[in-house]
Amino acid sequence: AQKITQTQPGMFVQEKEAVTLDCTYDTSDPSYGLFWYKQPSSGEMIFLIYQGSYDQQNATEGRYSLNFQKARKSANLVISASQLGDSAMYFCAMNTGFQKLVFGTGTRLLVSP
Amino acid sequence: GAVVSQHPSRVICKSGTSVKIECRSLDFQATTMFWYRQFPKQSLMLMATSNEGSKATYEQGVEKDKFLINHASLTLSTLTVTSAHPEDSSFYICSARKDGGSTTGDTQYFGPGTRLTVL
Repeated sequence: AQKITQTQPGMFVQEKEAVTLDCTYDTSDPSYGLFWYKQPSSGEMIFLIYQGSYDQQNATEGRYSLNFQKARKSANLVISASQLGDSAMYFCAMNTGFQKLVFGTGTRLLVSP
Repeated sequence: GAVVSQHPSRVICKSGTSVKIECRSLDFQATTMFWYRQFPKQSLMLMATSNEGSKATYEQGVEKDKFLINHASLTLSTLTVTSAHPEDSSFYICSARKDGGSTTGDTQYFGPGTRLTVL
């Protein structure tokens, strides 16, 4: 069975600083995908970044990067130069093959001025 | 792009009535869509997987006769909450899977969600 663990219920960061949101996963399948989604107070889930298990390089999308450490089974999200609009819930998720997404419990990020 | 719309965004209904929620992929085809439920301050709970042209696959504990899912086309899936009761009040959110290969890993793109309140 697949499992995602997010151990930080809440994180605080000052504007313009970088922040790392932790995510560890567990699966016995050698092929899997890792995702991060952002959920602002409006409720919609916004796709941020994807990392495939066979990808050699860490994924990056603008200010978002995924620190993929396969041996440790971790897929931390790094947000550089935080902005006030980054305040939201962040969910780490995983799928294997064409299977459903498994979500973590989320981390609430608060960016202060 | 990968835009998913969901309608309505908010609905209030009386106990015993049925409510239909639509989920559309606007700029891509989706053979598979998913329906989730989210309670306040919790993660998403998968309710069912909707496949175009076939019956939906429900997660354990989800009543298929209460939550009717229809996926009649490659861009539209509907969720009907039948005989809604106050305990069905929740945030319902759909997603559509876009086949993307190695660069996007069949990413699921989510609609904006529907907040259902049953009085």
